[in-house]
Amino acid sequence: EVQLVESGGGLMQPGGSLRLSCAASGFILRNNFMSWVRQAPGKGLEWVSVIYSGGRTDYADSVKGRFTVSRDESKNTLYLQMNSLRVEDTAVYYCARESGRGVVSPYFDYWGQGTLVTVPS
Amino acid sequence: QFVLTQPPSASGTPGQRVSISCSGSTSNIGLNSVNWYQQLPGTAPKLLMYKNNQRPSGVPDRFSGSKSGTSASLAISGLQSDDEADYYCAAWDTGPDVVVFGGGTKLTVL
Repeated sequence: EVQLVESGGGLMQPGGSLRLSCAASGFILRNNFMSWVRQAPGKGLEWVSVIYSGGRTDYADSVKGRFTVSRDESKNTLYLQMNSLRVEDTAVYYCARESGRGVVSPYFDYWGQGTLVTVPS
Repeated sequence: QFVLTQPPSASGTPGQRVSISCSGSTSNIGLNSVNWYQQLPGTAPKLLMYKNNQRPSGVPDRFSGSKSGTSASLAISGLQSDDEADYYCAAWDTGPDVVVFGGGTKLTVL
């Protein structure tokens, strides 16, 4: 059974850093495209970043230069290093397994439960 | 704020058929397939429809999707109280080369 479990969220002052983790089970992380998607309180979904199976990474303009996605193959775990946090980064962060990229519109077929990051004003 | 446009709300009574629209442009829906997600209250989103009209295993055939030009639609027939949720459309946008979402539609079952 595919499972994704996020951790690492919390309260952080503007300018601070956090590292989110996403432990995967039921499949091999390095063989898949993995994305982070966030949802501000009461708002819609926003794609944040992706790491390709080959290791290439991409980011939304809103986080480019501040966030870094990576993975530890030995732990089958995905990470999101978040630096220079801003008030507008406050959201629930979901990791999601992605399919279809390069062929059809990428779709997220498995999601974690999410972890809340709060950056107060 | 959201690249794809959805109505903020929709409603129906049990047993009815409801439809949720998603409007985009030539750089996203006009060129690429549409996916739909269902988010039940307090839970993570769940893939409901991919490649315009493909249902993942376990999604009942009461749910159907379609696309025409730069718009897409999700239809739910035989509406049930368990269908009360937020629904999001998404597509690849070849302009910025990112996945873009609609703002979501809150479906209420009266």
